[in-house]
Amino acid sequence: GESVGLHLPTLSVQEGDNSIINCAYSNSASDYFIWYKQESGKGPQFIIDIRSNMDKRQGQRVTVLLNKTVKHLSLQIAATQPGDSAVYFCAEGQGAQKLVFGQGTRLTINP
Amino acid sequence: GAVVSQHPSRVICKSGTSVKIECRSLDFQATTMFWYRQFPKQSLMLMATSNEGSKATYEQGVEKDKFLINHASLTLSTLTVTSAHPEDSSFYICSAKIGGEKLFFGSGTQLSVL
Repeated sequence: GESVGLHLPTLSVQEGDNSIINCAYSNSASDYFIWYKQESGKGPQFIIDIRSNMDKRQGQRVTVLLNKTVKHLSLQIAATQPGDSAVYFCAEGQGAQKLVFGQGTRLTINP
Repeated sequence: GAVVSQHPSRVICKSGTSVKIECRSLDFQATTMFWYRQFPKQSLMLMATSNEGSKATYEQGVEKDKFLINHASLTLSTLTVTSAHPEDSSFYICSAKIGGEKLFFGSGTQLSVL
């Protein structure tokens, strides 16, 4: 079936460095993608989204890149801070339909 | 601030009892809410879509008689885990859609069934 997955289950970076979290999706019909951050014991927190008619979108310290040719999504976090430590999920959807979540990547920021 | 409020945040119950979890949309009306289940170190799995004023739509493999969903108003959806058993222990999360696509999540409920 269709799935959304991640290349790496864990990622460690030094505080202040940039981090890149990757996501692969297989449903070519998906036209909406979201990145969520989840801290331990809490619900997911919206970070940034992107539609399929775009290939890049920037937020505060975060950038999402979408490569529809290879069905790849990435989240770049600039100048990482200790508070960025969390599990990051990508999710895909088709318009207003339900979202399918990837397995998550645990990001650890080392002091 | 939070746009979706979920209560309780943690509940411990005995096997065989029922547990109700509430999900409220704050300052907006949510005709559709979603209920997810998350096991440790795993992703969110959609259980059901809660529709105001109508029956919920359950995902394949989710027992509708065990996970009762009620969406009686535009700001409240409830999930009741009936006759809970230890295997129902999990993190349950609700969400509501704002602006057509963007999902905002509640803080989650950690259910532990003894």
